[in-house]
Parts: sequence; structure tokens; C-alpha cells
Amino acid sequence: AQRVTQPEKLLSVFKGAPVELKCNYSYSGSPELFWYVQYSRQRLQLLLRHISRESIKGFTADLNKGETSFHLKKPFAQEEDSAMYYCALSGLFGNDMRFGAGTRLTVKP
Amino acid sequence: GAVVSQHPSRVICKSGTSVKIECRSLDFQATTMFWYRQFPKQSLMLMATSNEGSKATYEQGVEKDKFLINHASLTLSTLTVTSAHPEDSSFYICSAVRDRVAEQYFGPGTRLTVT
Repeated sequence: AQRVTQPEKLLSVFKGAPVELKCNYSYSGSPELFWYVQYSRQRLQLLLRHISRESIKGFTADLNKGETSFHLKKPFAQEEDSAMYYCALSGLFGNDMRFGAGTRLTVKP
Repeated sequence: GAVVSQHPSRVICKSGTSVKIECRSLDFQATTMFWYRQFPKQSLMLMATSNEGSKATYEQGVEKDKFLINHASLTLSTLTVTSAHPEDSSFYICSAVRDRVAEQYFGPGTRLTVT
């Protein structure tokens, strides 16, 4: 069964500290993995996807097929990173879409 | 960019009435649109996947006769909540996928309150 697990509902770090938001998945096949972010009072938007291998706003995520993980990392968190982060997967053509429960990141000054 | 709009942004209706929510892709053709429901402080729950010109695929536990989805064109999908009840009150979000790009573009959501 397709499933995305984000074990942490809440994560709080101080500004300048490293941050890692965990995501594990299960999928029969080759999924596409995404991180979406929702800032306060804004709509969900794509942060990054594994196939693009980009670093967006200093965030990176590496797909580890052996561990079926797609953790989101940033070496130095900023206050403006405070938001709700969702890990998601889909099939190659956007099917089988599943979202994790989300992690609320708070970056304290 | 790829912009998705939803209308209305907020709606209040009486129990037993039906409400239609529109989702439009403004600057691209959406081969697939998704409808989600989000409860307060919870994640998005996929309700159904809608492909243009065909019947929507509903997730397990979602009543297709209650949540009618019509994807009449490549830029418009509608969700009709029929015979609404207070427990249908929620935040409904749509998203759209462009061609075979799996990235989803989200609408701003519609807050439905059933009194």
C-alpha cells in the first residue's frame, strides 16, 4: 500500500541550527517524491522534488531507496522557514498521490 | 507560472442543500485534477482524482454520490457536495497536474461551513 510517514508532528529549532524533517514511504514501484510547504495563510506550494535534485531556499532532500526515505535537510535554519512541511509521493503521472501527516517547523530566534 | 484558482473561497450553507466548488487552471491545461479535504491542523486527505472527460476515481471511504466531481474541460473541475451536513464542514483544496509533469499546483482552498 502507498504510504508516507512523517514521524514528527512538531519540530522546533533555533535560528542557525541544522534541521532535518523525516519522511519515510512505502510504494510498489518507482514513486516520485516531493516536499511541499505551506507558509502561514498561504496555499501549498512545491518546495522540491527528488528528480530535479535542486536545492531550494537552502533545503535539500536525498532519496534513499534502500531505507525508503526522503528526509528534508537544511544546514542553517532561518526564521522564515517556519511553516508546515508535507512529504508526498505519486506515481510517474501524478497518480496514487499520497501526503504525509505534515511536520510543523518552528524556527526560534 | 501555473496558477490554480478556486471559487468560492468561503461558503456557508444550510444543512440539506448542495454546494458547488469550482477549480480552474488559469494558464495551463490540466490533464488531472485532485480534490482534497483538510481538517483543522491535519494533513490533506485525497478524496478523488479527476481526469478530463472521464469519471473521477474516488478514494476508499469517500461517497461518490455525495461528493460529485465533474471534470468537463482541461481547465475546470467542479466538486458538488450534495445534501450537505455539518460534518461536511471542512477546507476543500484542489490541485492540478500539467500534462505528464507530476508536480501539483494547488488552489487556495474553499472553506465550507454547513449550519
